[in-house]
Amino acid sequence: DQQVKQNSPSLSVQEGRISILNCDYTNSMFDYFLWYKKYPAEGPTFLISISSIKDKNEDGRFTVFLNKSAKHLSLHIVPSQPGDSAVYFCAATRGAAGNKLTFGGGTRVLVKP
Amino acid sequence: SAVISQKPSRDICQRGTSLTIQCQVDSQVTMMFWYRQQPGQSLTLIATANQGSEATYESGFVIDKFPISRPNLTFSTLTVSNMSPEDSSIYLCSVEKVRGAGGTQYFGPGTRLTVL
Repeated sequence: DQQVKQNSPSLSVQEGRISILNCDYTNSMFDYFLWYKKYPAEGPTFLISISSIKDKNEDGRFTVFLNKSAKHLSLHIVPSQPGDSAVYFCAATRGAAGNKLTFGGGTRVLVKP
Repeated sequence: SAVISQKPSRDICQRGTSLTIQCQVDSQVTMMFWYRQQPGQSLTLIATANQGSEATYESGFVIDKFPISRPNLTFSTLTVSNMSPEDSSIYLCSVEKVRGAGGTQYFGPGTRLTVL
């Protein structure tokens, strides 16, 4: 049972344009959501998170949107840069702390110069 | 965030042997976790490493195969026992820092294990 899904395995975008990554979840108990970026041969790097009490959180070029009724979240990267080329994972958890993260399958982003 | 190191960074092992992976954090943390990323797959939690008590394992993972130690609040080890080629994966430790409404996990660089 895959509780967190990223349906697009890959995404190609031109430098300077917007990258939109999508994530769907099925477990309504999830109340905290995170995005990670992963380069080859490195561990995932935390990007941004959002609590279920919000519908938007912004940090620099990264914005995460949460639609609870649709059980859907998205990550917007504006403007996209070549250094953003990586695999992006969304993750979900429930409870304030101490609980495991459930990861989506990842989306490979390629930003073309 | 946190500075997390893992040793070894990679290893190639023979089937039937065991490998112990170390995870060191630069500050005391309550929660430490061990994940596995099999080739082409996402990250899957193996267990939560509890300080002063036994680790809590996820379904499908057992202590005999993946014994974990957590002697203090900055260090943990994961052993992959009696290895088979199916154990070839990246093994990652993570620590949790509470940020606002939720706990955010920060990951080490990973240990890339190849079992022949």
